[in-house]
Amino acid sequence: DGGITQSPKYLFRKEGQNVTLSCEQNLNHDAMYWYRQDPGQGLRLIYYSQIVNDFQKGDIAEGYSVSREKKESFPLTVTSAQKNPTAFYLCASSRSELTSYNEQFFGPGTRLTVL
Amino acid sequence: AQKVTQAQTEISVVEKEDVTLDCVYETRDTTYYLFWYKQPPSGELVFLIRRNSFDEQNEISGRYSWNFQKSTSSFNFTITASQVVDSAVYFCALKEGYSTLTFGKGTMLLVSP
Repeated sequence: DGGITQSPKYLFRKEGQNVTLSCEQNLNHDAMYWYRQDPGQGLRLIYYSQIVNDFQKGDIAEGYSVSREKKESFPLTVTSAQKNPTAFYLCASSRSELTSYNEQFFGPGTRLTVL
Repeated sequence: AQKVTQAQTEISVVEKEDVTLDCVYETRDTTYYLFWYKQPPSGELVFLIRRNSFDEQNEISGRYSWNFQKSTSSFNFTITASQVVDSAVYFCALKEGYSTLTFGKGTMLLVSP
């Protein structure tokens, strides 16, 4: 079945450590996204990528980094510079970012807790 | 700048009641798209509907219906005869031009038996 997978589902990290969240899609979508969700805040865009080897900052990119070496993969690294990393992280993909009407498909999310 | 407001933070209803979730948006573009997503307790967002700015026809899909009114910049979502499985957080979202998707803060719907 086509879809988006995120791993792990739950992640615990000590303060000061970097951690990488995985996102893989087999929908053959060009565009991929990372969102952060906090209670009462809705979804906020961290980074997005319209094509392999290219990505742009979203609204809250500070303390995060990404790479897009393969079309199907868009890992997110939460660095120690991110001051409040505990949150629910959602990965999404769409056929193209440039075309306005494409809906985004979401993965099941990773809940990150900093101890 | 585009903006989406979902003024209802949380709504509680009893099964079989009808419920309407409000969504008001702001945009300067004449061409834009509106979306509704459902986020059940499992966490994954599920796409429900997409509507472009040139199509103001209301849409019905089973117990779900959507009322798009450009005059009031609203795109409201009604669930008829609600069921416990409808309990979720519902997000309205807006996309204009080449900008990225902007989400409202969501409305949590709790349907009790």
